[in-house]
Amino acid sequence: AQTVTQSQPEMSVQEAETVTLSCTYDTSESDYYLFWYKQPPSRQMILVIRQEAYKQQNATENRFSVNFQKAAKSFSLKISDSQLGDAAMYFCAYRRGGSEKLVFGKGTKLTVNP
Amino acid sequence: NAGVMQNPRHLVRRRGQEARLRCSPMKGHSHVYWYRQLPEEGLKFMVYLQKENIIDESGMPKERFSAEFPKEGPSILRIQQVVRGDSAAYFCASSPGTSKFFGPGTRLTVL
Repeated sequence: AQTVTQSQPEMSVQEAETVTLSCTYDTSESDYYLFWYKQPPSRQMILVIRQEAYKQQNATENRFSVNFQKAAKSFSLKISDSQLGDAAMYFCAYRRGGSEKLVFGKGTKLTVNP
Repeated sequence: NAGVMQNPRHLVRRRGQEARLRCSPMKGHSHVYWYRQLPEEGLKFMVYLQKENIIDESGMPKERFSAEFPKEGPSILRIQQVVRGDSAAYFCASSPGTSKFFGPGTRLTVL
């Protein structure tokens, strides 16, 4: 079974600084997708960024980028120029190609200090 | 284009009562998914539905839980004879393809 591990229950960062959230996953599949979701205090799940496993280029969305290391099964999220509004729970998720199920990690709580 | 809508946002039930959670997918999306989030946990898949069909219910408890997505109207997640362990946030998502868009969730509290 696929598993997703987020080893950092909590992280903090100073406003305007950069922070990296870790995620590792376990799979024997070659076709899969990886996602980072943000869950602010409102509890709404917001898609931050996604990566297709077949793409070598790391995905980027404005201040958010990933470091996708396929051989190491690592998928970290980098947030640059952190803002107070980035404070939230961040969940890493995996989806096997051809499946509709998302498998989530337990999340990392990010605090942004002014 | 309105996002995924869920209601109610908060639901309180006493043990033994029934809980009905509703989800309206984004316009044009015919795939609906239900996930449950227990405190301090990530979301766990429950069921995947397309219009009038259950495609995958492998994450749904076999007793007391059921889901439907009728031809007209929202998707319904129904929990019969609720117990305290059912207290959680229940999220619905819809999808046109690869990416899933989540609703704001329904927080169920069982007293």
